[in-house]
Amino acid sequence: NAGVTQTPKFQVLKTGQSMTLQCAQDMNHEYMSWYRQDPGMGLRLIHYSVGAGITDQGEVPNGYNVSRSTTEDFPLRLLSAAPSQTSVYFCASSQLGPGELFFGEGSRLTVL
Amino acid sequence: AQKVTQAQTEISVVEKEDVTLDCVYETRDTTYYLFWYKQPPSGELVFLIRRNSFDEQNEISGRYSWNFQKSTSSFNFTITASQVVDSAVYFCALSENSGNTPLVFGKGTRLSVIA
Repeated sequence: NAGVTQTPKFQVLKTGQSMTLQCAQDMNHEYMSWYRQDPGMGLRLIHYSVGAGITDQGEVPNGYNVSRSTTEDFPLRLLSAAPSQTSVYFCASSQLGPGELFFGEGSRLTVL
Repeated sequence: AQKVTQAQTEISVVEKEDVTLDCVYETRDTTYYLFWYKQPPSGELVFLIRRNSFDEQNEISGRYSWNFQKSTSSFNFTITASQVVDSAVYFCALSENSGNTPLVFGKGTRLSVIA
């Protein structure tokens, strides 16, 4: 049971570099989302999607792009990394309305 | 707008003590869902419970119990006879619009259970 798979688990970037965090789920869930977790801030929603071809912004979308070309995949792109994007990123998926939210193991990103 | 407040940032208890984690929420919807998640030191997020706004019955699962009170907009979580393995960060979350809006999380409560 793969569930929600995130890659990479760890990444170090220099300011201004770009990268993509990959997220894939094998549960045929319509809903997928990206959160970031920072100390003392809880989990904050970056972007989410309710199905292929549909995405929307969450609470902290600036500096991130997403796309949803298939049900299974929901990559998160950092266009020009900044130190403020140093965080742990979680991808999650669920059935709509509302299913249990299944989380990936997280990706720890450090921007120098 | 939906909001979840977990006023307790950190709690420390001695093993076998009971502990209650508070969660207060704000919403204008009449149909919504409340959740609790656990994040142990290993970092993964583990689903504990989902409760809809029309079900105010308390829930018990082993040493865990949840008290949902719409009158005070609270969804508190109690661990009875705490164990070291309960040490984790616990998050309360809310989804409005019959659960069709993304989950909004509180900032979490870090529970340390000392042997």
